[in-house]
Amino acid sequence: GDSVTQMEGPVTLSEEAFLTINCTYTATGYPSLFWYVQYPGEGLQLLLKATKADDKGSNKGFEATYRKETTSFHLEKGSVQVSDSAVYFCALKVGGYQKVTFGIGTKLQVIP
Amino acid sequence: ETGVTQSPTHLIKTRGQQVTLRCSSQSGHNTVSWYQQALGQGPQFIFQYYREEENGRGNFPPRFSGLQFPNYSSELNVNALELDDSALYLCASSLSPQPNEKLFFGSGTQLSVL
Repeated sequence: GDSVTQMEGPVTLSEEAFLTINCTYTATGYPSLFWYVQYPGEGLQLLLKATKADDKGSNKGFEATYRKETTSFHLEKGSVQVSDSAVYFCALKVGGYQKVTFGIGTKLQVIP
Repeated sequence: ETGVTQSPTHLIKTRGQQVTLRCSSQSGHNTVSWYQQALGQGPQFIFQYYREEENGRGNFPPRFSGLQFPNYSSELNVNALELDDSALYLCASSLSPQPNEKLFFGSGTQLSVL
């Protein structure tokens, strides 16, 4: 079946540090890939997405590149801020309806 | 434009009881899906509703059922509650059931089963 594996947290970084959260996937078809973010007390929000190999999704300084050869979709940001503290979920979608398969989430804490 | 709203925000039930959770879709959205997020886990797809019918289901037993109403709002019903049903239940709406449509999530209902 389809699955997503992402690094377990929590990840604690100082403000302005470089962020990488690793994500790999297994899919029966050709998936679309996503990163969602969940701020405390809020619902999931789509952060970025990529729908085909070598696509780069980007938003709010975050980037991730769809690597079919390594089945990966790692999230990066060059300089994190305290406001980036949240839980980040890697996810994929395959097929004709809206079932999204999520990883377990990585909690990021950015300290001043 | 109102977002996706869920009620109640928190709920406590005992094992064996039944529960109904509610979701109001974002304005103009006709498709609703439900997810279960256990503590420390990612959300898991329960099912999707479009035009008042279930048109996709994850690996959940039949005691998880749903409804969608003509105004596109939705309910999730869980019968014979078990302790493992304790989780955050998320509702998501979209403009259509097409797989490339963006999902908009509510803040969830936290269900505790004692």
